[in-house]
Amino acid sequence: DAGVIQSPRHEVTEMGQEVTLRCKPISGHDYLFWYRQTMMRGLELLIYFNNNVPIDDSGMPEDRFSAKMPNASFSTLKIQPSEPRDSAVYFCASSPHTGTGNAEAFFGQGTRLTVV
Amino acid sequence: DQQVKQNSPSLSVQEGRISILNCDYTNSMFDYFLWYKKYPAEGPTFLISISSIKDKNEDGRFTVFLNKSAKHLSLHIVPSQPGDSAVYFCAASERGAGSYQLTFGKGTKLSVIP
Repeated sequence: DAGVIQSPRHEVTEMGQEVTLRCKPISGHDYLFWYRQTMMRGLELLIYFNNNVPIDDSGMPEDRFSAKMPNASFSTLKIQPSEPRDSAVYFCASSPHTGTGNAEAFFGQGTRLTVV
Repeated sequence: DQQVKQNSPSLSVQEGRISILNCDYTNSMFDYFLWYKKYPAEGPTFLISISSIKDKNEDGRFTVFLNKSAKHLSLHIVPSQPGDSAVYFCAASERGAGSYQLTFGKGTKLSVIP
């Protein structure tokens, strides 16, 4: 398996524009997570899905952020409109379901977003 | 309020010596703990984990120790190698929540000096 695949790797956009980040999780993984990494806050969970259903979106900072998972192999994180403070590295990660209830998350390489 | 804390932003260690990275947590419901390593421009990669029913887990040069009463865990790397230079993140999850979601510390940047 190629691992978690994110696109694009880098995105530079102007304030006010819509930004869409994409993620393909590892095949067979039931859980998908979107994280954001900033210097100030570190790695913070934005939202996660179980079997394509959003379970907890309490980490989504504002209504400008939305995420979807239309099928088991694809998810998007959208920011509309984007603002300079959204500049960060966004990671997608996936985890398998295990009998123990614990599993490590496998991360993609991230999308570095710069909003100017 | 940070539930997982890594109080040392950086650490420098001589090659061949032991590296000790520390992590504290506040949520007593956490029962699974992980360490991730991150190189620049890459995503975090899983390194080692420990369940709350254990106090030690070893994998090659990497050992994680868990002290539940102190809500403290540490990662030991011995011997340290230049390729270990990276940012190390401590993470924790709560089995009871059944969510698999991880709460991360802010990371410690380890520099192993040749």
